[in-house]
Parts: sequence; structure tokens; C-alpha cells
Amino acid sequence: EDQVTQSPEALRLQEGESSSLNCSYTVSGLRGLFWYRQDPGKGPEFLFTLYSAGEEKEKERLKATLTKKESFLHITAPKPEDSATYLCAVQPADSWGKLQFGAGTQVVVTP
Amino acid sequence: GAVVSQHPSRVICKSGTSVKIECRSLDFQATTMFWYRQFPKKSLMLMATSNEGSKATYEQGVEKDKFLINHASLTLSTLTVTSAHPEDSSFYICSARTTLRVDTQYFGPGTRLTVL
Repeated sequence: EDQVTQSPEALRLQEGESSSLNCSYTVSGLRGLFWYRQDPGKGPEFLFTLYSAGEEKEKERLKATLTKKESFLHITAPKPEDSATYLCAVQPADSWGKLQFGAGTQVVVTP
Repeated sequence: GAVVSQHPSRVICKSGTSVKIECRSLDFQATTMFWYRQFPKKSLMLMATSNEGSKATYEQGVEKDKFLINHASLTLSTLTVTSAHPEDSSFYICSARTTLRVDTQYFGPGTRLTVL
């Protein structure tokens, strides 16, 4: 059975304090792994797609990496505006485009 | 690019009435759209997959007669919650899969449904 587990559930950071979020997965053939950011009361905002182990993508203070079993989202020198819930999702190869989401990591960055 | 809108953003209705939620891809064509439901402090739960011009595919446990989905064009899908009850109150979010980046879903802003 496909599973996506995110850790930690919640993370409180001081502004400038870098950290990493983890997304571990078990899936029968990975077509892609996705990271989204979700603000309260809003829909998820697309951040990255990763397709193969060893791949890395960056956007501003965020960097996503992928191995065969997990993905990390590194937040470098975060700012209060980086506060959000970060969702990881996998797309199994036989899923017809469906995504399976993890429970998310709620990040709070304090000034 | 890749903007998805939903309407309405918030709706309050009486028990027993039906509510329609629209999902539009504004700057791209979407052969496939997805409908999700999200409970407070929980992750997204896929309800159904909507393909343009064909019947929707529902996930296990989702009542297809209660949640009617229509995908009439490449830019519009609708979700109708029929005979709504308080337990249908939730945050409903749609996503659209682009034909250019076939593996990426872009999400709408969500619709907050409250059934009194």
C-alpha cells in the first residue's frame, strides 16, 4: 500500500534559523513527488516536482531533494512569510495522475 | 500561468438544499480535474477524478449520487453537493492537471461550505 509520512508535524523556527522537513514514502513505482505550500483557508500552492533520485530544485529560500525513499525540503534563513503548512505528495506510476498526500508539516517562523 | 479559480469561495446553506461549486482553469486547458475535501488540520482527501467529456471516477467511500461532478469543457468542472447535511460542511478544493506539464496539479483557492 502506498504511504506518505511527513515529519515533524509542526516546526517552530526563529527567523534565520534554517531547518529541514522530511517526507518519507513507499510507493509502487514513483512517477513524481510534489511539494506544495498551503496557507490557512487557501488551496495548496505548487512549489516543486521531483522525478528521480538525486534530483534537486530550488526556489528562493527553499530547496527540495529526492532519494529513493524520502524527500527533504530545506528552508534556509526563513522569514516570517515562510510560515505555512508544507505538503508532500507522491504520484504512483499507475495512479492515472492521482496524488497521495502526507499530513503536512506546519511551520511557524517567528521574528 | 497555471491559475485555477473556484466559485464561490464561501457558501452557507440550509440542510436539504443543493450547492454547486465551480472550478475553472483560467489560462490553460485541463483534460483532468480533481476534487478534494479537507477537514480542519487534516490533509487533502481525494474525492473524485473528473475527465472532460466522460463520467467522473469516485474514490472508495464517496457517494456519487450526493457529490455530482460534471466536466463539460476543458476549462470548467462543477461539483454539486445534493441534499446537503451538516456533516457535508467542509473545505472543498479542486485541482487541474495541465496538458503541458502532465504530472503537475494546480489547485484552486478552495470553497468553504457550511450547512446549517
